[in-house]
Amino acid sequence: KNQVEQSPQSLIILEGKNCTLQCNYTVSPFSNLRWYKQDTGRGPVSLTIMTFSENTKSNGRYTATLDADTKQSSLHITASQLSDSASYICVVSAAHNTDKLIFGTGTRLQVFP
Amino acid sequence: NAGVTQTPKFRVLKTGQSMTLLCAQDMNHEYMYWYRQDPGMGLRLIHYSVGEGTTAKGEVPDGYNVSRLKKQNFLLGLESAAPSQTSVYFCASSFKRGRTYEQYFGPGTRLTVT
Repeated sequence: KNQVEQSPQSLIILEGKNCTLQCNYTVSPFSNLRWYKQDTGRGPVSLTIMTFSENTKSNGRYTATLDADTKQSSLHITASQLSDSASYICVVSAAHNTDKLIFGTGTRLQVFP
Repeated sequence: NAGVTQTPKFRVLKTGQSMTLLCAQDMNHEYMYWYRQDPGMGLRLIHYSVGEGTTAKGEVPDGYNVSRLKKQNFLLGLESAAPSQTSVYFCASSFKRGRTYEQYFGPGTRLTVT
């Protein structure tokens, strides 16, 4: 069964600190992996999209890594800000139907001053 | 550009009532989608459309109908609402960038069925 699992479920950090969120998937065949940021009461917004040939991709203070062999991805946030408080959702697309997305349940990040 | 917009933002229905959620996009995207988001679960696809006049079922289509009469609009209908349809509904649209479909989401509609 195609699944995307994220850890931790929730995380609290102090402003200025770094953190790393994890994503494991069992989707096969694999096309691409995305990380979305979802602010409370808003729709998800794309941070990065990586295909199987990409190991890392950055978007400002956000850096995503992908290991297609172990089917793992991480999202690293550097020098966190209060505005980083949100849910971060890992999403995987299957190769045979490139527009079908399998969503993880997200990691809820809270950044405190 | 407004991107993807959804109306209404909030709605409370009684069991058995009907309603239509409207999604509009001004990016000329071919693909549009309706998802629902429930606590502790990832977004699940209800229905989608690959172009004007076409619709297809997603993962959880029961109890919902859709129509795509115009390219920029995608309507989601609930004919007889049930408490199990209490959820946050998100519309999205996409275009193809290389081999990837980049999806853009609307702000969501919070629906409560009592």
